[in-house]
Amino acid sequence: SYELTQPPSVSVSPGQTARITCSGDALPKKYAYWYQQKSGQAPVLVIYDDSKRPSGIPERFSGSTSGTMATLTIRGAQVEDEADYYCYSTDSSNTHRVFGGGTKLTVL
Amino acid sequence: QVQLVQSGDEVKKPGASLKVSCKASGYNFINYGITWVRQAPGQGLEWMGWVSGYNGSRNYAQNFQGRVTMTTDTSTSTAYMELRSLKSDDTAIYYCARDVCGGDCYLVYWGQGTLVTVSS
Repeated sequence: SYELTQPPSVSVSPGQTARITCSGDALPKKYAYWYQQKSGQAPVLVIYDDSKRPSGIPERFSGSTSGTMATLTIRGAQVEDEADYYCYSTDSSNTHRVFGGGTKLTVL
Repeated sequence: QVQLVQSGDEVKKPGASLKVSCKASGYNFINYGITWVRQAPGQGLEWMGWVSGYNGSRNYAQNFQGRVTMTTDTSTSTAYMELRSLKSDDTAIYYCARDVCGGDCYLVYWGQGTLVTVSS
């Protein structure tokens, strides 16, 4: 079955740039989506269609892709950005969707 | 506004079955699919499958094939997820979420989650 691979954890100091990667064989042909999940809450979409930002999401959040890798970048990370981040995409046959394993972002 | 309201938390014994409901409002139910996602304690999000709000067609994750059934009732704008032969590692929060399709289809609107505990 299709898999998306993320690093388990990323740590930055406040104000630094955090980059979270997601690799998957179908990403050159399929869009990547990114979700933020804070403890005890449902996930929130922060990036859609690889690089678009939903209304209400701060400009410091951005997304990009290159080949089989998608990247979520948080420029000037804030303490309130501490959360788990998940990438989400579809397999090449467009029948099954998958989440990456999640990355715990620590900002301290 | 779009709302998804799920049924309440449940405690089940191993081997039992579970049926979670997800009542939708604020949009035309038949125009969008519903995805089911679960999250075991301290673990990541797991895509379980998808069901069409239009015609009930569905796709299930391989991990759940043969054990899960996802259905819809368009008369009440409600989606259901039934999971059979429960095991302790089915203990999780189960979420329903509504599709939005742009480049591909993704999830914007989420239910509040249903905590299911499987324990003898």
